[in-house]
Amino acid sequence: DAGVTQSPTHLIKTRGQQVTLRCSPKSGHDTVSWYQQALGQGPQFIFQYYEEEERQRGNFPDRFSGHQFPNYSSELNVNALLLGDSALYLCASSLHGAHVETQYFGPGTRLLVL
Amino acid sequence: ILNVEQSPQSLHVQEGDSTNFTCSFPSSNFYALHWYRWETAKSPEALFVMTLNGDEKKKGRISATLNTKEGYSYLYIKGSQPEDSATYLCAFPSPIDSGGSNYKLTFGKGTLLTVNP
Repeated sequence: DAGVTQSPTHLIKTRGQQVTLRCSPKSGHDTVSWYQQALGQGPQFIFQYYEEEERQRGNFPDRFSGHQFPNYSSELNVNALLLGDSALYLCASSLHGAHVETQYFGPGTRLLVL
Repeated sequence: ILNVEQSPQSLHVQEGDSTNFTCSFPSSNFYALHWYRWETAKSPEALFVMTLNGDEKKKGRISATLNTKEGYSYLYIKGSQPEDSATYLCAFPSPIDSGGSNYKLTFGKGTLLTVNP
């Protein structure tokens, strides 16, 4: 079992550009959540996808969007990048997203916006 | 806005020392509490999911207790080893739909543990 995988591992972009991050969930999982970890903070919830639909969004602007594919993999897109978008982006997968279900995390994509 | 607090922010101990740190969370509307261990450049690794008041869980030298009435959980490491060096995160699930069957995690900022050989 490959676990949760994310690509790319690192990315450097400039302000105003757009970025797409990718996530493959753990085998058998159907729910993908995205989190942003800024320096010195805990991971913050961006949104969650299940059955190709966004369930809920955290306190992030519409510049952040996502998608889930029929094979449950997911993408996070960020448009019009700002310096403040520099962070580690974590993907987590789970089965259904219940409160007692462990969310399994990937290693993250580190995004640097210059 | 949910408040999940962890203390201390960082901790340096010597190999062989036992240590513990705290996670505080809202005591109302408790669903569960998750503990993760996160080594640098790796994925956060799930340690425990705690659900019942008075729960005590153990994994090797690491154990955790839960007090839902006062809203805290302790993580203990007995006989710390250099390989225990990591950030320990706790996370509090909260529902993201009215049906209450799907949850997001709200994390604390973590406790960075460094074990010196």
